Amino acid sequence: NAGVTQTPKFRILKIGQSMTLQCTQDMNHNYMYWYRQDPGMGLKLIYYSVGAGITDKGEVPNGYNVSRSTTEDFPLRLELAAPSQTSVYFCASSYPQGGYTFGSGTRLTVV
Amino acid sequence: KNEVEQSPQNLTAQEGEFITINCSYSVGISALHWLQQHPGGGIVSLFMLSSGKKKHGRLIATINIQEKHSSLHITASHPRDSAVYICAVRSAGSGGSNYKLTFGKGTLLTVNP
Repeated sequence: NAGVTQTPKFRILKIGQSMTLQCTQDMNHNYMYWYRQDPGMGLKLIYYSVGAGITDKGEVPNGYNVSRSTTEDFPLRLELAAPSQTSVYFCASSYPQGGYTFGSGTRLTVV
Repeated sequence: KNEVEQSPQNLTAQEGEFITINCSYSVGISALHWLQQHPGGGIVSLFMLSSGKKKHGRLIATINIQEKHSSLHITASHPRDSAVYICAVRSAGSGGSNYKLTFGKGTLLTVNP
C-alpha cells in the first residue's frame, strides 16, 4: 500500500521557470490537498479538491494551479517561479471525516 | 493570533522522561489531529481525536472540548522520539470547509540519550 506518493523529492528552479509537482494516492480518498510549509510557520493550504473535476483555492493560492482529472492524481503547477515559492510542499488525502495521509514532501528552491 | 497555539515551541528532555506538549485552539472543532515530523522527513498522523483520550504504545493524546485544549504525552521518552509534533484542527460546521485543517506551528522535541 503506497499511500500518497509525491515526486520529485527535491528540485531547484530558476526564477521564471515552471514545473509540476506530482501527487498520487491509492486509497480512493475523495479529498486531496496541497500544503506548503515554511520555516517557523504552520502548514498553509494552497489548493484542495473534494473529488475528480472539483478544485478550490485555499489560503495561499497565488502563483499556483491544480487539476483533478482522476480520483488518484492531484498535480500542482507552478508558473513563473518566484523566490517566495521556496518551501516544502506536502500533498495529502483523506476521507471527508477521516484521518489524513501525507506524502513525503517536495523540497523546492527557487534561485 | 493563530487559531491553533502550541506550547512549548521547543522542548529538550533526557531519555526516559515524561513529555507533555500542549495545544490550545480558539474555534469550534469537529476533530483534532496530532502529527509527527522527523527532521527533513514526511508527516505522519499519530492521532485523530474528537473527545476523551487515545493511546498508542508510549503515546497518549487527550482532548478537553469545553476548554478547547489537547495534550500529547510521551511516556519513557527515547531519542527516536525526537521530532516536530504538530497539532491541527478541523473546524466544526457544515459545508465546504469542515474537512480542511488549521495547523499549529509545531513543537520541536529533542530527547538526549
